[in-house]
Amino acid sequence: QVHLVESGGGVVQPGGSLRLSCAASGFTFSSYAMHWVRQAPGKGLEWVAFVRYDGSDKYYADSVKGRFTISRDNTKNTLYLQMNSLRPEDTAVYYCAKEYYDYIWGRMDVWGKGTTVTVSS
Amino acid sequence: DVQMTQSPSSLSASVGDRVTITCQASRDITNYLNWYQQKPGKAPKLLIYDASDLETGVPSRFSGSGYGTDFTFTISSLQPEDIATYYCQQYDNQPPTFGQGTRLEIK
Repeated sequence: QVHLVESGGGVVQPGGSLRLSCAASGFTFSSYAMHWVRQAPGKGLEWVAFVRYDGSDKYYADSVKGRFTISRDNTKNTLYLQMNSLRPEDTAVYYCAKEYYDYIWGRMDVWGKGTTVTVSS
Repeated sequence: DVQMTQSPSSLSASVGDRVTITCQASRDITNYLNWYQQKPGKAPKLLIYDASDLETGVPSRFSGSGYGTDFTFTISSLQPEDIATYYCQQYDNQPPTFGQGTRLEIK
C-alpha cells in the first residue's frame, strides 16, 4: 500500500528554521518526482516545491525561493523540506505528494496526511 | 503565473442532484488540468487528471471536461460522502497553481 508520512512540524519563532521529512513506502520512491504543498489555516492549497526523481532538478514557489530547500534521500525513501527564515505567513499544514511522473510535473496522485507548522512569537 | 478561477466558491445541493463546478484558466493550458477532493481535516485526493480522465478507484459519478481555458467538473448524482472542497489545478506552466476551491454542502 502506497504511504507517505510527514513529520517535523511544530511551533517556531519568526526567523527560525525547521526541517520537514516525508517517509515513503509501498512504491519505488527513487522512480518518482515529489512535491511539497501547503495549506494555511482556512485557506486553499499552495504548491511549494518540486524535485525530480533523482534530485537533479528542483523548483520553488516565489514565496519560498531562497528560504526553503527541497531534497531527497533515495537510499532512505525520504523527502525533506528545509525551511529557513520562517515568517508568520508560512504557518500552514505541509503535505508531501507523490508525482505520477519521474522528471516532470503532471498530477499528484498520492498525498500524506500533513504536518503542521506554526510560526509565531 | 497562470491564475485559476473556480466558480462558485460554495454550493449547496441535495442528495441525488447533478452538481457542476467550473474552472477558468488565465491562459490556454490545453488539457493540463487536474481536480482534487479534500474532505474536512483530510489530505487532498486526486479525482480527475488531464481534464477528463478518471483516477483509478474513483466512482464514475465524477467526471471532467474542457480544453484550453474553460473546464467543468461534474458529479452526476450527489452522495452524502461527496461533502468536501474541490480544487482544480493546472500543470501546463511552472508553478503549478490551484483554484481557490469550491466548498460543497448538502442542502
